[in-house]
Parts: sequence; C-alpha cells; structure tokens
Amino acid sequence: EIVLTQSPGTLSLSPGERATLSCRASQSVSSSYLGWYQQKPGQAPRLLIYGASSRATGIPERFSGSGSGTDFTLTISRLEPEDFAVYYCQQYGTSPPGFTFGQGTKLEIK
Amino acid sequence: QVTLRESGPALVKPTQTLTLTCSFSGFSLSTNGMCVSWIRQPPGKALEWLARIDWDGDKFYNTSLKTRLIISKVTSKNQVVLTMTNMDPVDTATYYCARIVVASGSYLFDYWGQGALVTVSS
Repeated sequence: EIVLTQSPGTLSLSPGERATLSCRASQSVSSSYLGWYQQKPGQAPRLLIYGASSRATGIPERFSGSGSGTDFTLTISRLEPEDFAVYYCQQYGTSPPGFTFGQGTKLEIK
Repeated sequence: QVTLRESGPALVKPTQTLTLTCSFSGFSLSTNGMCVSWIRQPPGKALEWLARIDWDGDKFYNTSLKTRLIISKVTSKNQVVLTMTNMDPVDTATYYCARIVVASGSYLFDYWGQGALVTVSS
C-alpha cells in the first residue's frame, strides 16, 4: 500500500504570501491518480486539484498543483484569508485498488 | 444539484454493528463512471478511505478493514449503505459519503455529504 507523507505538518504564513505544500509517496504514483483537498473546521473536504495539476470546477487560479512520480506539490500563489485550512493529498492505487490520504498540512495565519 | 446526506446512529456500543445510509440526489449511480465512497475522520485526525461502490456494482474496500465492511446500493432509492461490524471505541469518527466521478482517467471526489459523527461507547 502506498503511503503519502505531507510536509510540513503546519505552515504559518500571512495573507498575500505564497504557500508551498508537499506530498511525497512511498512509491511512484500515476499523476492521474493524485488529488488535493481542502478542509475547513466543521466542514467536509473540498476537491481542489485532480490529476495532479487540474483545477476542479470553481477553484481559483491561485491554486495550482504539480509534480510526478513520488513528489507532488500544491501551491497557493497569494494567500487569501479563506485559504487557511487543512490540506490533504490523496492517491488512488491499483494494487490493491483503493485510496489513501496523507496526514494533512495545516495552513495557519501567522 | 448534487447532494449527499449521511444518516445513522450517533452512538453505538462496542461489538455492535454500525449501519450508515448515504442518500443522494442529482445523479444516478447507474450512470457509467459514477461511484460512491465512504470516508471517515476520527476527531482531530486525518481522513481514511473505507469503501467504494461503482455504477456497475463493483465493490472495493480498505484492505485493513475489509473483513468488517460491507457496502451496497439501492439504485431505485438513490442510497448507498455501509455496514461495519464489531465496532470499537477507535472507530469513533465522522463518517462521510462522497460521490466519485471517473473522468479523464482520474477519480474525483467532487461532492461530499456533511458527515455523521458516530461515537462508540458503552
């Protein structure tokens, strides 16, 4: 089973700054199968990025995803107040078939 | 408009079986490429995928929980049911159901229910 490790655990930044979140897989992941989700307190997760780099419907352009193989990155170009939340990466594995999530990165206001 | 809603008991006793229902609208689980999954999140912890059922009836489970889970669908009622046996306090979590759309070779968890908190305690 593929393990996803996210870093850092907590990222403290100010509005307007650039955020870079990392997701590292224990073995190679198809880019098609890598997604990113945002979760705010008391809410369900929201899909941000699928296929490693494609923005989901309605997601602002300041969110972008990149990477391949075992290293993937979520970048938020200029932080807005509403972006402070927990972010999870997720992958789909085929052997055995199933999904795993990273442990999350908390993005907090500095 | 796609919506999903989880329902079930808020409190179960250790060793009991949990049954959760996901009632959805705005899509059909008989449509090619549609799936529904269950995901859970213990308080203050990360998300954990549990199970998935596809439009064609295929079912997939988290390998570490496979012996305790059953997922099923009632297409005519737009419902997906998850049963989890032998509940333990460590199973205390918010349980979410989510729609998955298979598109462009990717699996998109694009709509989620609001979640149902299940506490396991005697």
